[in-house]
Amino acid sequence: DIQMTQSPSSLSASVGDRVTITCQASQDISNYLNWYQQKPGKAPKLLIYDASNLETGVPSRFSGSGSGTDFTFTISSLQPEDIATYYCQQYDNLRTFGQGTKVEIK
Amino acid sequence: EVQLVESGGGLVQPGGSLRLSCAASGFTFSSYSMNWVRQAPGKGLEWVSYISSSSSTIYYADSVKGRFTISRDNAKNSLYLQMNSLRDEDTAVYYCARDRLWPSAFDIWGQGTMVTVSS
Repeated sequence: DIQMTQSPSSLSASVGDRVTITCQASQDISNYLNWYQQKPGKAPKLLIYDASNLETGVPSRFSGSGSGTDFTFTISSLQPEDIATYYCQQYDNLRTFGQGTKVEIK
Repeated sequence: EVQLVESGGGLVQPGGSLRLSCAASGFTFSSYSMNWVRQAPGKGLEWVSYISSSSSTIYYADSVKGRFTISRDNAKNSLYLQMNSLRDEDTAVYYCARDRLWPSAFDIWGQGTMVTVSS
């Protein structure tokens, strides 16, 4: 099975800061990686698909990059409404989520 | 409006069974693969099971293999999860999620239904 390791598990940043989350796959998954945002008490929401493609309607401050085993998710300028937990998810072999990164405002 | 609505959650004793349903509307259900994803209280997301549009391909996470059965009825626009031999660790919110045509992504989610396994 493919394991997905996200880091950090949580972070605190100020409004306007650049925020970066990494996700590492236990084996090469090409670009078969998605990123989701989940706010408390809500269902997850797709933000980025295929490692770097922005889902329709998602603000351009969100971006993704990477391929193979190492991936990065970035919020270019953190906004108060971005407070959430973010998950990576691979679909190269079955489906696996990372353990999540909780983003808070400092 | 594209929508998924889960139902069937509740309290069940260890070793018991429960059947979850997911009603789809606003899109051509028979054209999409579907998934179940769960989230234990205070924990992260865990993929549970996948079913292709025609039910020809089915996958399970190791944690539920042999106990859970995914199925669908395209005529009724519905997805199901039959859960048997339930354990305490199956306690979670269960979401159904649409798997978009390639590239794969869970692009539509239901609101979730809570399953509590406890004596």
